[in-house]
Amino acid sequence: QVQLVQSGAEVKKPGASVKVSCKTSGYTFTRHVIHWIRQAPGQRLEWIGWIVVGDGNPRFSQNFQGRVTFSRDTSANTVYMELTSLESGDTAVYYCAREWSTWLDLDFWGQGTLVTVSS
Amino acid sequence: QSALTQPASVSGSPGQSITISCTGTRSDIGRYNYVSWFQQHPGKAPKLMLHEVSNRPSGVSDRFSGSKSGNTASLTISGLLAEDEADYYCASYTESDSYVFGTGTKVTVL
Repeated sequence: QVQLVQSGAEVKKPGASVKVSCKTSGYTFTRHVIHWIRQAPGQRLEWIGWIVVGDGNPRFSQNFQGRVTFSRDTSANTVYMELTSLESGDTAVYYCAREWSTWLDLDFWGQGTLVTVSS
Repeated sequence: QSALTQPASVSGSPGQSITISCTGTRSDIGRYNYVSWFQQHPGKAPKLMLHEVSNRPSGVSDRFSGSKSGNTASLTISGLLAEDEADYYCASYTESDSYVFGTGTKVTVL
């Protein structure tokens, strides 16, 4: 069965970076795009970007341009998101989600990773 | 990119139908038929309910349906059940080759 399992909660200081992993299983890793989405406490979902796992090509929301990178390890079926220059407004649950075919048909999601930014 | 606009809350009695609107612009909803809807229960990851305006993934009840007119997409839930009580988010592809989510709607079953 398809599963996306994310790394555990993180607490970071302002200005630091965080790297969240999303380990996938149950399907051919390179055949699907992975999206990253976050949700601040009590707030709406916010799209961060996607990575075409097959070739590693990313696309980022303008809101995160220059601060976020995506990577993947095809030997470990894992995708990573790194966010730099953290500030308190980055405190949120970060989700990875698999796109089944195209156009944001996100059929499987990770459990979410809480990133807390606090001094 | 501004968030798509949804009503903060919608409520209905069991068995009734409700509709949630999602208003964007000519640069997103008005331009593309690439609108998705997600259901989110408290403390859980979102669940895909519709994609490409009205396509239901396997396993999603046919009580959920979608439509679009101009810059506004809509999600209709018919035969409302207690389990439908959740937050609902729309999302659309945009001309910037990116996606934007809606502000979210809390559905309450009275």
